Amino acid sequence: GALVYQYPRRTICKSGTSMRMECQAVGFQATSVAWYRQSPQKTFELIALSTVNSAIKYEQNFTQEKFPISHPNLSFSSMTVLNAYLEDRGLYLCGARVRDRGNTGQLYFGEGSKLTVL
Amino acid sequence: AQKVTQTQTSISVMEKTTVTMDCVYETRDSSYFLFWYKQTASGEIVFLIRQDSYKKENATEGHYSLNFQKPKSSIGLIITATQIEDSAVYFCAMRVSPLNTGANTGKLTFGHGTILRVHP
Repeated sequence: GALVYQYPRRTICKSGTSMRMECQAVGFQATSVAWYRQSPQKTFELIALSTVNSAIKYEQNFTQEKFPISHPNLSFSSMTVLNAYLEDRGLYLCGARVRDRGNTGQLYFGEGSKLTVL
Repeated sequence: AQKVTQTQTSISVMEKTTVTMDCVYETRDSSYFLFWYKQTASGEIVFLIRQDSYKKENATEGHYSLNFQKPKSSIGLIITATQIEDSAVYFCAMRVSPLNTGANTGKLTFGHGTILRVHP
C-alpha cells in the first residue's frame, strides 16, 4: 500500500533558528506533494503544493522565502521552516498524491513533523 | 471558496455500536471529491474512504460507509461495530475539480474534526 514517511517526527528549536523536514513516499510515485500545517487547535492550513518539474505553488500567507521546498523526484520532498518563531509551531504534514485515473487528488499522509519553538 | 463544516466536536460511544459523524460542505463546483481521514494519537493521518460527487451510490470500505446526500451537501461517515481502536479525531475533507483545463490543484479543504471516543 501507499506509505509516506516523514522525519524528524519532532523538533524543538530556538526562536529564530530553522528546521528542515523530509517526506518520503514508499511503494508509489507521488505525482505531487502538498505540505500542510496543523495548528495546535487542529485546523489545517495548506502551505504549498509541489509537483515535480513544475513551479511550487504557495498559498496566501506562505512564501518560498520562509518555507523553501525541494522536490527533486517522485518519491522525495523536503521543506524548511526558516527563522521559526512561536507562530510557526504545529504539526507539519506531507500529503503525497497518487496518480489515479479518476484524478481525485487523494492524498496519503505521513505522521507529520511536530515543531515546537522555544 | 470551499468550506467544510463538522458541527460535532466530540462523540462518545460504547464499543460494538454504530456511530455517525456529520459533515456538510460548500462549493460552487459541480464536480468534487469528498474524503474522510482519521488522525490517531501519534498524529498520523489515515485515509479512510472517498465519495466522488458524480456517483449516486454511497461508498463503503470495510466497516466504514458514507451517507452522501448531495442536495443537502452532506457527507456523513458511518462506522459500524465500533472498536476501541477507532478512537481518534475524524476529519472530513473536500477537493474540487477545476472546470477549465482539468488541472489538478490538489488542495484539500478540511473540517475542524470530530473526536470519537469508543468505550469498552
